[in-house]
Amino acid sequence: DVKVTQSSRYLVKRTGEKVFLECVQDMDHENMFWYRQDPGLGLRLIYFSYDVKMKEKGDIPEGYSVSREKKERFSLILESASTNQTSMYLCASSIQGWDPSTNEKLFFGSGTQLSVL
Amino acid sequence: AQSVTQPDIHITVSEGASLELRCNYSYGATPYLFWYVQSPGQGLQLLLKYFSGDTLVQGIKGFEAEFKRSQSSFNLRKPSVHWSDAAEYFCAVGARTGTYKYIFGTGTRLKVLA
Repeated sequence: DVKVTQSSRYLVKRTGEKVFLECVQDMDHENMFWYRQDPGLGLRLIYFSYDVKMKEKGDIPEGYSVSREKKERFSLILESASTNQTSMYLCASSIQGWDPSTNEKLFFGSGTQLSVL
Repeated sequence: AQSVTQPDIHITVSEGASLELRCNYSYGATPYLFWYVQSPGQGLQLLLKYFSGDTLVQGIKGFEAEFKRSQSSFNLRKPSVHWSDAAEYFCAVGARTGTYKYIFGTGTRLKVLA
């Protein structure tokens, strides 16, 4: 079965700390995504990557960076955590292609609930 | 820029009643449209998707959605709701703007009364 694994389910950090959220997929997918989910705001795209070492900003990249050194791993970095970054973070991956025969869709991890105190 | 609007934040229906969740999108080209469901404490699961062809698409758990280009809508429907359908539902647009990018709506939380 396909799998997107996020390293931590819950994380508590202090303001100003550098935070790494890790995501690994075992499906050889080209695309990987980081979203944050907040009540009433839905899922907002932070960054996505369409190939190793390739990345693009999403809608809310400020305060975040990403790293994709290997195809299966996509890391989200909070350079200096702030309280407004307290949120649920969701990683996802997808096959690259909109052809229905590729079964294109997002596969999600179970999420990391980050609290910044 | 592409966007997705789900105008209903909360919807409450009685078990056995019919359901329609609204989704409107803004996108300049042919949209690729998705509905995802997030049950309490669970990850997001794909209900159905529209890429092309028949504008009425069937999904899992008895859900269907109809793509109406003239109304820029992709509403989700179910003829008879079950208590287990209580969840949050997200509509999404797949936007091929050089790369493959998904934009989500703000979600609709469904409550089912016994």
